[in-house]
Amino acid sequence: EVQLVESGGGLVQPGGSLRLSCAASGFTFSSYSMNWVRQAPGRGLEWVSYISSSSRTIYYADSVKGRFTMSRDNAKNSLYLQMNSLRDEDTAVYYCARAAGDLSYAFDIWGQGTMVTVSS
Amino acid sequence: DIQMTQSPSSLSASVGDRVTITCRASQSISSYLNWYQQKPGKAPKLLIYGASNLQSGVPSRFSGSGSGTDFTLTISSLQPEDFATYYCQQSYSTLFTFGPGTKVDIK
Repeated sequence: EVQLVESGGGLVQPGGSLRLSCAASGFTFSSYSMNWVRQAPGRGLEWVSYISSSSRTIYYADSVKGRFTMSRDNAKNSLYLQMNSLRDEDTAVYYCARAAGDLSYAFDIWGQGTMVTVSS
Repeated sequence: DIQMTQSPSSLSASVGDRVTITCRASQSISSYLNWYQQKPGKAPKLLIYGASNLQSGVPSRFSGSGSGTDFTLTISSLQPEDFATYYCQQSYSTLFTFGPGTKVDIK
C-alpha cells in the first residue's frame, strides 16, 4: 500500500524547535519530489516547502523561509522538516504530500498529518 | 508568487444538485490546476489534475475545465458524501499555492 506517515508533532514554546518526519512506503520514494503542506486550525491549506527527488532543489514559502529546513534521506525513505524559531502562527496540522510528475505535479498521496502547537 | 482565488467561499446545496466552483489564477498557469476535496479531520484527496483529468478512483460526477487563468470544478449530481471543502491549487510554479477553499454544505 502506498503510504505516508508523519511523526514528530507536539507542543513547543515560541522560539523553540521541532523536527517532523515523514516515512514513505509502497512506492519508489527516490523517484518523487515531495512537499510539506500545513493547515492552521479552521483555516485553509498552505504550501510550506518542496524538495526535488535528488534534494538538488528546495523551495520554501516566504512565511517559513530562513526558519524551516526541508531534507530527505532516500536510503531511509524519509522526509524531514526542521522547524526553528517557531511562532504562534506556525500552529497547524502538517502534512507531507507526494508530487506526481505524471499528474501535472498534483499532490496525489498525503499523510494523515501531525499537529504542531506553538504556545507558552 | 501566483495567487489563487475561489468563488464562492461557501455554498448550500441539496442532494442531486449541480454544483460549480470557480478558481482564478493571478497569471496564466496553462492547465496546471488541481482540485482537492477535504473532509473534517482528514487529509485532502486529489480529485482532478491538469485542469480536467479525473484522478483514478474518483467518481465521474466530478469534472474540471478551464485553462490559462480561469477554471471550474463541477459536480453533476451532488451526493451525501460530497459535502466537504474543495480547494484548487496551481502546480505551474513549484512555489505551489492553494485557493482559499469552498465549503459545500447541506441546504
